[in-house]
Amino acid sequence: QLQLQESGPGLVKPSETLSLTCTVSGDSISSSSSFWGWIRQPPGKGLEWIGSIYYSGSTYYNPSLKNQFTISVDTSKNQFSLKLSSVTAADTAVYFCARHLKLGSPFDSWGQGTLVTVSS
Amino acid sequence: DIQMTQSPSTLSASVGDRVTITCRASQSISSWLAWYQQKPGKAPKLLIYKASSLESGVPSRFSGSGSGTEFTLTISSLQPDDFATYYCQQYNSYPTFGGGTKVEIK
Repeated sequence: QLQLQESGPGLVKPSETLSLTCTVSGDSISSSSSFWGWIRQPPGKGLEWIGSIYYSGSTYYNPSLKNQFTISVDTSKNQFSLKLSSVTAADTAVYFCARHLKLGSPFDSWGQGTLVTVSS
Repeated sequence: DIQMTQSPSTLSASVGDRVTITCRASQSISSWLAWYQQKPGKAPKLLIYKASSLESGVPSRFSGSGSGTEFTLTISSLQPDDFATYYCQQYNSYPTFGGGTKVEIK
């Protein structure tokens, strides 16, 4: 059974870089034809897609967001990661990793989410 | 980008009620629409994809309809486990979500 698990610091200072990792089990990122994405949800608000990556390293980002996100993949560890530079309080959110079978398909498996708070 | 607008934002209902949630897209998305259920502190769960296809394991009381710009999610007989927030999401272009509909106990 496919499982995704986010990990990373729960507290980040303003202007610093946020780094999160999603570990995938039950499926191989490199042998799967799936896409792997990041979605965030500010407290009490809705969902926002950040971007997705294919095992080859091809990335796709939400054009409505500032170009401060970087998504990468480490097939040897069966993980993919998210980096956000120069964070502000507006980046405080629960960050989810998720799978979608195609770039144009819904997210059918999700991690439990991890709360990241930006505060000094 | 394609904007998704859900209504109502909150819905009060009783167990056994028939519940309908509407999602409108700012431009045509054909049938490239999904519905999710989210409970507090949990990740969203996929219920419906391609506007009307039921995800495996999802109870048949959930159904979806629509195409183009207007879509609905219907729960035929609301159960206690169904009190949650529901989101629509289009995937015709880069993914965008509706603002959510909270279904609460009347």
